[in-house]
Amino acid sequence: AQSVTQPDIHITVSEGASLELRCNYSYGATPYLFWYVQSPGQGLQLLLKYFSGDTLVQGIKGFEAEFKRSQSSFNLRKPSVHWSDAAEYFCAVGAIDNNDMRFGAGTRLTVKP
Amino acid sequence: NAGVTQTPKFQVLKTGQSMTLQCAQDMNHEYMSWYRQDPGMGLRLIHYSVGAGITDQGEVPNGYNVSRSTTEDFPLRLLSAAPSQTSVYFCASSYSTGPAAFFGQGTRLTVV
Repeated sequence: AQSVTQPDIHITVSEGASLELRCNYSYGATPYLFWYVQSPGQGLQLLLKYFSGDTLVQGIKGFEAEFKRSQSSFNLRKPSVHWSDAAEYFCAVGAIDNNDMRFGAGTRLTVKP
Repeated sequence: NAGVTQTPKFQVLKTGQSMTLQCAQDMNHEYMSWYRQDPGMGLRLIHYSVGAGITDQGEVPNGYNVSRSTTEDFPLRLLSAAPSQTSVYFCASSYSTGPAAFFGQGTRLTVV
């Protein structure tokens, strides 16, 4: 089955600074890849997804992610972080041959004023 | 508002009790799923359904049952609650198989 690793449990960045959250996946074929954001006490919101095509994917709230097959990575980026971006971020991988989705353990983002 | 509705939001159970977590969506989505979220472990898929009358197991199905009699509803049943089932449970739905696009607000369950 597919799996996801988010190497960073917690990241702190200053407001206005750039952000990159790392995600590595394991799957033998072309994966479906997703990033979600979760604010405290809330459900998850889909930020962006990759199925095929252009490896640079644009999402909501100014986020983007790049699929790099050679590195098995799907890192999330934002050029300038806002205080409202403080939340927990989850990377997930889906498979073309099953309906299972696997999530990473999450990265908690703190934004310093 | 359209979306995924979960009830209850909070629940405390005693070990051995049974209960049903409710999930309803009004977007006519075929695909619905249940996840549990535990600290440091992300979300893990419990059961999913690709349409009315069709369900299947996910990564951690033991101790849980589901059924899908209508497109709108996908209840999760705990047969005999155990402390290991203390968790936050999320229901999700989407237009097609694959990504869980819409999540409910979650049910925080404590088993004592």
